[in-house]
Amino acid sequence: GQNIDQPTEMTATEGAIVQINCTYQTSGFNGLFWYQQHAGEAPTFLSYNVLDGLEEKGRFSSFLSRSKGYSYLLLKELQMKDSASYLCAVKGNTGKLIFGQGTTLQVKP
Amino acid sequence: EAGVAQSPRYKIIEKRQSVAFWCNPISGHATLYWYQQILGQGPKLLIQFQNNGVVDDSQLPKDRFSAERLKGVDSTLKIQPAKLEDSAVYLCASSLMRGDKNIQYFGAGTRLSVL
Repeated sequence: GQNIDQPTEMTATEGAIVQINCTYQTSGFNGLFWYQQHAGEAPTFLSYNVLDGLEEKGRFSSFLSRSKGYSYLLLKELQMKDSASYLCAVKGNTGKLIFGQGTTLQVKP
Repeated sequence: EAGVAQSPRYKIIEKRQSVAFWCNPISGHATLYWYQQILGQGPKLLIQFQNNGVVDDSQLPKDRFSAERLKGVDSTLKIQPAKLEDSAVYLCASSLMRGDKNIQYFGAGTRLSVL
């Protein structure tokens, strides 16, 4: 079967660092995506990993370990506007994206 | 560059009624997707088009849902008749279908409430 697990909710403080984990079991693997979705808005692309290791893009970084079926999204220097849902999605053998349920992050002052 | 356009943004109907959603993808994007996102869940793919042909509709409830992309550009998704459990946000996305990334760009969605 296909399964993607993320924590449902997380809370962090403005200026801090937060790590959002994602574990997956899918039929094949052709890349892992992270999307950000503010309430009532479209999901927007954050990062893509297909090889093991860390991809850094400004305040956001994403890590992948294919052998462990594990990824995380790291957000540094948190800002209030980072309060959103973060979606982990895996592209399987068919090319279809399978999404996790999303992690709602609340950033507090 | 204009993003993915969807309309309407909100729709309230009673069960057993019909409803249609419209999507205009990013110009030049050959691939178009319709997703259903139930509150508190991630998006679930309903149907994928490559130009005007269907690539994957394995999770589309075909007894009540239909979709078309006649000219390979914009698309409509229809529900007839609607059920209470169809209450969700319907997201449209498009991609270039080039390269490994094949990033999908999403519209803001149509929030459907079935009463």
